[in-house]
Amino acid sequence: ETGVTQSPTHLIKTRGQQVTLRCSSQSGHNTVSWYQQALGQGPQFIFQYYREEENGRGNFPPRFSGLQFPNYSSELNVNALELDDSALYLCASSLGTGGNEQFFGPGTRLTVL
Amino acid sequence: AQSVTQLGSHVSVSEGALVLLRCNYSSSVPPYLFWYVQYPNQGLQLLLKYTSAATLVKGINGFEAEFKKSETSFHLTKPSAHMSDAAEYFCAAGNTGGFKTIFGAGTRLFVKA
Repeated sequence: ETGVTQSPTHLIKTRGQQVTLRCSSQSGHNTVSWYQQALGQGPQFIFQYYREEENGRGNFPPRFSGLQFPNYSSELNVNALELDDSALYLCASSLGTGGNEQFFGPGTRLTVL
Repeated sequence: AQSVTQLGSHVSVSEGALVLLRCNYSSSVPPYLFWYVQYPNQGLQLLLKYTSAATLVKGINGFEAEFKKSETSFHLTKPSAHMSDAAEYFCAAGNTGGFKTIFGAGTRLFVKA
């Protein structure tokens, strides 16, 4: 059974650029959630995708967008990068929504200069 | 709005001593509650999960947590700390049928030899 994988592991961008982060779900999981974890803080919920549809969103601006593909892998896109977007971005997959256990990937460390 | 509060951003214990990490949640509906552990440069790993089946929940690596509705608490304990327990610990809450998991700010556990 393959766990959750994320790519790339590290990324450096400049302000105003756009970035795409990728996540492969654990086998059999149909739900993907994305979190932003700033240094020294807990993960903050960005949004969740369930069966290719956005199922809920946290307090993040529209320049944070996502996709989920038929194989349940997912992308997080961030446009017009700002310095405060520098963080660890975590992807978590689960079977269904609600209180089901989420399995986290190792994250992508994004640095915006 | 639901929130999770972890008391103490840093906790230091001696090897073999009791570990107690505190978590309080605010919710009018008993939520799902989780404890996760994060080692440096890694994603989050689930330690244990409360789903209303039992108030005392046993998890991996000798950790357990007790749900106390009257105190809206879900503190994490381990009778005897091991050096390998040094990590960041996050308490989190999610509602039945909800899509959003709310994380606390985290508590870094240090274990002294």
